[in-house]
Amino acid sequence: DTAVSQTPKYLVTQMGNDKSIKCEQNLGHDTMYWYKQDSKKFLKIMFSYNNKELIINETVPNRFSPKSPDKAHLNLHINSLELGDSAVYFCASSRGDGEAFFGQGTRLTVV
Amino acid sequence: AQSVTQPDIHITVSEGASLELRCNYSYGATPYLFWYVQSPGQGLQLLLKYFSGDTLVQGIKGFEAEFKRSQSSFNLRKPSVHWSDAAEYFCAVANSGTYKYIFGTGTRLKVLA
Repeated sequence: DTAVSQTPKYLVTQMGNDKSIKCEQNLGHDTMYWYKQDSKKFLKIMFSYNNKELIINETVPNRFSPKSPDKAHLNLHINSLELGDSAVYFCASSRGDGEAFFGQGTRLTVV
Repeated sequence: AQSVTQPDIHITVSEGASLELRCNYSYGATPYLFWYVQSPGQGLQLLLKYFSGDTLVQGIKGFEAEFKRSQSSFNLRKPSVHWSDAAEYFCAVANSGTYKYIFGTGTRLKVLA
């Protein structure tokens, strides 16, 4: 049973499109995150939610909007996709003791 | 500002040899420190973590790390590397309140047969 699952695993889309990535965790954790990994493997936090409340919002374009319908889900919606958005996006969750569990990642390619 | 430095971008070792991956951090208080491993096309898996107490931490897959406050380091070690250890290794520091992880740039490990 997958702890943190993301869908889709791969996403290829054209510039200007709007797309969403879904994330679900079945670990009962209160905190969820979105991270972006660029082509050089650098991982950077984008957002963090705790019990559906936004607690971390890094300097991310407004085109990126996270939504947490409940504490087990944290989706990422991206408007007007640009070439520079191509990356691997990781969802993660944590129970508050510092250990984060990561999903398998969604490889987004904007063409 | 908090930061994590992994000075080695690539490391190549022979199977059976010992391994040490370096990690230095900059953080105002006592940090929470982590090592994660990422196999190709996979997510990140936690190898070990340090919050407090014994500065030598044991993790999974035979890895260990030592926290040295005086050197602001948290180096990862393994006495004998296996071919399956070839992967990308990330050191991270986290804020104890928000658990905002800051990752290093990673070290890619290659293992020679």
